Amino acid sequence: GAGVSQSPSNKVTEKGKDVELRCDPISGHTALYWYRQSLGQGLEFLIYFQGNSAPDKSGLPSDRFSAERTGGSVSTLTIQRTQQEDSAVYLCASRSPGLGSNEQFFGPGTRLTVL
Amino acid sequence: DAKTTQPNSMESNEEEPVHLPCNHSTISGTDYIHWYRQLPSQGPEYVIHGLTSNVNNRMASLAIAEDRKSSTLILHRATLRDAAVYYCILRPTGNQFYFGTGTSLTVIP
Repeated sequence: GAGVSQSPSNKVTEKGKDVELRCDPISGHTALYWYRQSLGQGLEFLIYFQGNSAPDKSGLPSDRFSAERTGGSVSTLTIQRTQQEDSAVYLCASRSPGLGSNEQFFGPGTRLTVL
Repeated sequence: DAKTTQPNSMESNEEEPVHLPCNHSTISGTDYIHWYRQLPSQGPEYVIHGLTSNVNNRMASLAIAEDRKSSTLILHRATLRDAAVYYCILRPTGNQFYFGTGTSLTVIP
């Protein structure tokens, strides 16, 4: 079946503009993660959704960042008033339900460049 | 946050075994040890995970120290396709996976 998909693959924007990044998880996966990876760095956790539970937003770096997940499937990460330091690859991952499920499946990422 | 420490880079000759170390001295009793790898220009992919006992799968083996303060990912025969950044991650019984900067593995033909 299809894996995790993300769109757009690349996004170039001007400082101060808002951007929306989309993630389509694997069908049936109730857990969804967003990460950010700056150039040459590891992954930085941003937010986690699990079913209908309140999301874990503890990794969001500022109130300019928000995310939602509609219908327990597609998720959108929104960055308002983008800054140059927001430039990074934004990765989405999903995981199947169940206590024994440990494997996250990652999408190809969206490369965001803020000019 | 439970953190891991890995060497920044390692090299291996093709067809030889590779031992990738990870220190996690602050690990708690319920933290699982996960390994992911990230090939160039791709998202990370799962490699293996364990809690206390050594684990084997088709990709690799995971050796966990008796005190659980360190672990080693073993690739039995390195191939050029194994060149990637390898992340050692602790997952508490919760939501977050804490990725560090990983070890960049170069495989020499």
